[in-house]
Amino acid sequence: GEDVEQSLFLSVREGDSSVINCTYTDSSSTYLYWYKQEPGAGLQLLTYIFSNMDMKQDQRLTVLLNKKDKHLSLRIADTQTGDSAIYFCAETPLYNFNKFYFGSGTKLNVKP
Amino acid sequence: DAGVTQSPTHLIKTRGQQVTLRCSPKSGHDTVSWYQQALGQGPQFIFQYYEEEERQRGNFPDRFSGHQFPNYSSELNVNALLLGDSALYLCASSKGDTRRTYNEQFFGPGTRLTVL
Repeated sequence: GEDVEQSLFLSVREGDSSVINCTYTDSSSTYLYWYKQEPGAGLQLLTYIFSNMDMKQDQRLTVLLNKKDKHLSLRIADTQTGDSAIYFCAETPLYNFNKFYFGSGTKLNVKP
Repeated sequence: DAGVTQSPTHLIKTRGQQVTLRCSPKSGHDTVSWYQQALGQGPQFIFQYYEEEERQRGNFPDRFSGHQFPNYSSELNVNALLLGDSALYLCASSKGDTRRTYNEQFFGPGTRLTVL
C-alpha cells in the first residue's frame, strides 16, 4: 500500500533555509502536496506538484521532486519564526484523487 | 466565507459510548471527506461523501459511519468508542467528484475527541 515517510524534527535559525524531506512508495502517485499545521488549526495547503514536474517555486517555497527515487523536498527560504509548525507531505494515487495519504509530519522549530 | 467549520471543538466521552461530529463545508463545495489524526501522526482517510452517498472508504471498522445532508453538511458517527479512538477528527471539503479530477481540499480546524 501507499507509505509516506518524513523525518520527525527539524530545527533551524531564523533567516536560514529549511529543507524538509519526504519519501513515498506509490509509483502511481499523481499529485504530491505539502501541508502546514499550526497548533489548534487544521491543515493548510502550502503547495503541490504534479508528478511529471521536477520543481515548483512559489515565493519562499521551492518543491523538488525526484520521481526515480520517490523523494520530495520542501525548501523554505529565509525561514521565519512564524514558519514554526508541523509540515505534512501527502500524495494522491493515479487511480483515486479522493484519498490523501499523509506522512507523520515534520515538526519545524525556528529559533530566533 | 466561513470556510470549513466543525463542531464541537472538543469532546470527552467514555468507552462504549457513541459520538456524532459535524462538519459544514466551504461555500460552493459539495464533497466532504473525514480524516482521523492520532497524536503525533498524519491524518488517516476515513471516508468521503458526495451526493449524499459514501463514495470511498479507508481502513476503518463499521463502527465509523457517516451521513451527508442535502445542504452538503456531514456527520461522522462513531459507536462503541474505544480508547484508541481518541484523536483529532478533521473534515475536508472540495467541489465535485474528486476520484478522477484534482480539486483542492480545504480542511476544517478539527474536533478533538478524548475517550476515557
